[in-house]
Amino acid sequence: GQQLNQSPQSMFIQEGEDVSMNCTSSSIFNTWLWYKQDPGEGPVLLIALYKAGELTSNGRLTAQFGITRKDSFLNISASIPSDVGIYFCAGQLGGGGNKLTFGTGTQLKVEL
Amino acid sequence: GAVVSQHPSWVICKSGTSVKIECRSLDFQATTMFWYRQFPKQSLMLMATSNEGSKATYEQGVEKDKFLINHASLTLSTLTVTSAHPEDSSFYICSARWDTQYFGPGTRLTVL
Repeated sequence: GQQLNQSPQSMFIQEGEDVSMNCTSSSIFNTWLWYKQDPGEGPVLLIALYKAGELTSNGRLTAQFGITRKDSFLNISASIPSDVGIYFCAGQLGGGGNKLTFGTGTQLKVEL
Repeated sequence: GAVVSQHPSWVICKSGTSVKIECRSLDFQATTMFWYRQFPKQSLMLMATSNEGSKATYEQGVEKDKFLINHASLTLSTLTVTSAHPEDSSFYICSARWDTQYFGPGTRLTVL
């Protein structure tokens, strides 16, 4: 099935640094979601974006819905060790009942 | 709120046997649930959409006779892997729709 492209694939940063990752698609989506997955766990919703151009924050996390509706980025400020994990974007065409298309994932490792 | 559980969290079975995985929405009713499969170091791939009281909708390439889905109530969907083989070993994750999709903790299936 279709997947969204995420970059970078992985990143290794120092504690306290800011992190930026993005997600692109060849198709338009009406909703963008960002999830974090820890090893052996299910994804946990971080931020949901519903309008093109929307910028939303959740604590140290900020995400934006691209104007073209084909991309989104996620920023993490002042990273801490518990930010370690895999971050997935997901695009959705319709409402909450419509299926999600997941990105390829960005693995974040934080060095103390 | 919006808690989804899965049972069991892990299961080991012999080749040729069937395994049932349960997905429950604990504090909300979900008319739609989704089943995903995730192989190591890969993203989540949607297998099927489960609708309460009706037949599931399977994604292309997913065998409906092998992966039986039953959504008998607004809080429970089950996935039965029939005649399991080693290549079915994977991490199976469900999600339930509320305002958006909320994911369960996953079930690790190992087929010997």
